[in-house]
Amino acid sequence: SQELEQSPQSLIVQEGKNLTINCTSSKTLYGLYWYKQKYGEGLIFLMMLQKGGEEKSHEKITAKLDEKKQQSSLHITASQPSHAGIYLCGADGASDYKLSFGAGTTVTVRA
Amino acid sequence: GAGVSQSPRYKVTKRGQDVALRCDPISGHVSLYWYRQALGQGPEFLTYFNYEAQQDKSGLPNDRFSAERPEGSISTLTIQRTEQRDSAMYRCASSPQTVIGEQFFGPGTRLTVL
Repeated sequence: SQELEQSPQSLIVQEGKNLTINCTSSKTLYGLYWYKQKYGEGLIFLMMLQKGGEEKSHEKITAKLDEKKQQSSLHITASQPSHAGIYLCGADGASDYKLSFGAGTTVTVRA
Repeated sequence: GAGVSQSPRYKVTKRGQDVALRCDPISGHVSLYWYRQALGQGPEFLTYFNYEAQQDKSGLPNDRFSAERPEGSISTLTIQRTEQRDSAMYRCASSPQTVIGEQFFGPGTRLTVL
């Protein structure tokens, strides 16, 4: 299974500031998924990356997968209180169905 | 449309009791997954179904854990003779395809074993 490390473990950002979360794998990533978790709710799918060098954006969130497909970053521009939550990266390996997740990054946005 | 639903949302039980956790996937979704999430950790894979067939149960911790999906829709995760270490959030996810792709997660069942 994939071993995924996320950094930082938590961060506090002032509203309007940018933030970046990293996800590093011990093995080559076949598919990298970013989810957001809010208390009392399920995991909300954000983006999926598959190709080396791929970059996707949705609203103010941008995710990238490096060329070697072992590291991904999630960048939020001009953070808002609605961006607060736990961000999880998940990855599938050669098995094609199991997702392995990192421990998550807790984001707090201060007004 | 309706998303993945799980019931109960919270379950408190005494050690040694059996519990059954239910997952109702999105209608028409072929694949169904069970994960367990400890506090401060990401979800950990337990088992997976394509239609009614259990494809992989390698993530089930021991033989007290079992899962079924008899008609290829609703699934039940059963934990027999619960122990305190079984306390966790149990999450269900479904997917419209049989290979990897976006998984839609339910709100989870918070299990507490006293």
